Amino acid sequence: GAVVSQHPSWVICKSGTSVKIECRSLDFQATTMFWYRQFPKQSLMLMATSNEGSKATYEQGVEKDKFLINHASLTLSTLTVTSAHPEDSSFYICSAISGRAYNEQFFGPGTRLTVL
Amino acid sequence: AQSVTQPDIHITVSEGASLELRCNYSYGATPYLFWYVQSPGQGLQLLLKYFSGDTLVQGIKGFEAEFKRSQSSFNLRKPSVHWSDAAEYFCAVGAGGYGQNFVFGPGTRLSVLP
Repeated sequence: GAVVSQHPSWVICKSGTSVKIECRSLDFQATTMFWYRQFPKQSLMLMATSNEGSKATYEQGVEKDKFLINHASLTLSTLTVTSAHPEDSSFYICSAISGRAYNEQFFGPGTRLTVL
Repeated sequence: AQSVTQPDIHITVSEGASLELRCNYSYGATPYLFWYVQSPGQGLQLLLKYFSGDTLVQGIKGFEAEFKRSQSSFNLRKPSVHWSDAAEYFCAVGAGGYGQNFVFGPGTRLSVLP
């Protein structure tokens, strides 16, 4: 149980285009989902927290107009990188919290984004 | 705010040797503590976690960790390392439910010599 999927697992796009990444909780309803970014050889940094039906809360330094987060249902959150640039190339990982296991995050497998 | 340190950026051990990866945290109360492993290009895999109770926690793949409140530490150990254990290891701390104040350490890269 408590499986989180991400799609796509990797994506390559041209500079200036937008890319959408999906995060799904497959066997539970996620009260809260999180988006992390990981640059090569670095740790995970929290970008934003999203709760179903409400606006995401962004961490300091994360541009909310560039990284659009939508959490339209209890099993799906999307991250859209708008007008992507090479410096946005990174590994994006989502996580979700179940209402029954509120003190643990379940992580997705990550999405590798490369912007040319 | 809480913080997590992993003093060792890179550790190299021989296959079959014992392993200890250090993790120290800063938080006023007892936090939720986690160890994750990440292979190159892969997502995170939870090795073990501590919420309360017995301070020695057993995890998957033969790993264990011990919570020491007096030292604010949660060190990860394995008695005999296998070549497949080479990876990046992250300690993480949660200071409340629902993912509040959840912080990852900087990570320790483990290399295993044949």
